[in-house]
Amino acid sequence: GAVVSQHPSRVICKSGTSVKIECRSLDFQATTMFWYRQFPKQSLMLMATSNEGSKATYEQGVEKDKFLINHASLTLSTLTVTSAHPEDSSFYICSAITGGRTEAFFGQGTRLTVV
Amino acid sequence: AQSVTQPDIHITVSEGASLELRCNYSYGATPYLFWYVQSPGQGLQLLLKYFSGDTLVQGIKGFEAEFKRSQSSFNLRKPSVHWSDAAEYFCAVWDSGNTPLVFGKGTRLSVIA
Repeated sequence: GAVVSQHPSRVICKSGTSVKIECRSLDFQATTMFWYRQFPKQSLMLMATSNEGSKATYEQGVEKDKFLINHASLTLSTLTVTSAHPEDSSFYICSAITGGRTEAFFGQGTRLTVV
Repeated sequence: AQSVTQPDIHITVSEGASLELRCNYSYGATPYLFWYVQSPGQGLQLLLKYFSGDTLVQGIKGFEAEFKRSQSSFNLRKPSVHWSDAAEYFCAVWDSGNTPLVFGKGTRLSVIA
């Protein structure tokens, strides 16, 4: 199956700093990537959808200025959590799809802890 | 809009017993259906998927799921549960194209000796 690599797997940052999470499709071109957030013992909540070369579409309630998403190429999307606060601590997972596929492929997730 | 319901938040089964996790979906046509498993602190692992053909789908780790259109269900089953199956299980629906998967709230499986 196709591989999606997400990096870093874990990150601890200080309050007020920014953190960048990368999501790469290693063996296919991802026309669309999705970013999810998962709180402890809860399901995955879609944050935003990004298409290569265009602005991301954010779900209602997600601050686009806090969660900056860039999908600059067909193999890379980044999520930057700006001015992080402890309440941004969560598990973030990316997913990628490409035309003709019958499933979405998920990264391994990033555990963000803001102290 | 699509939606997925997993009625059971937490299920406990004895090791060696059979398992069935329920999933119901709401969608106008037949979507693509998935079951994922997630161990604590880990990402998602795809167990199986259905998008057409035989309504009984075999997956990894001895799991299977049956698509029942009349009941809008896609229940996950395993004949004999192992302690290592303890995890969170998510059912998801996708209508393909450039849309995201929609996940159920998950069912936490505990396995006791």
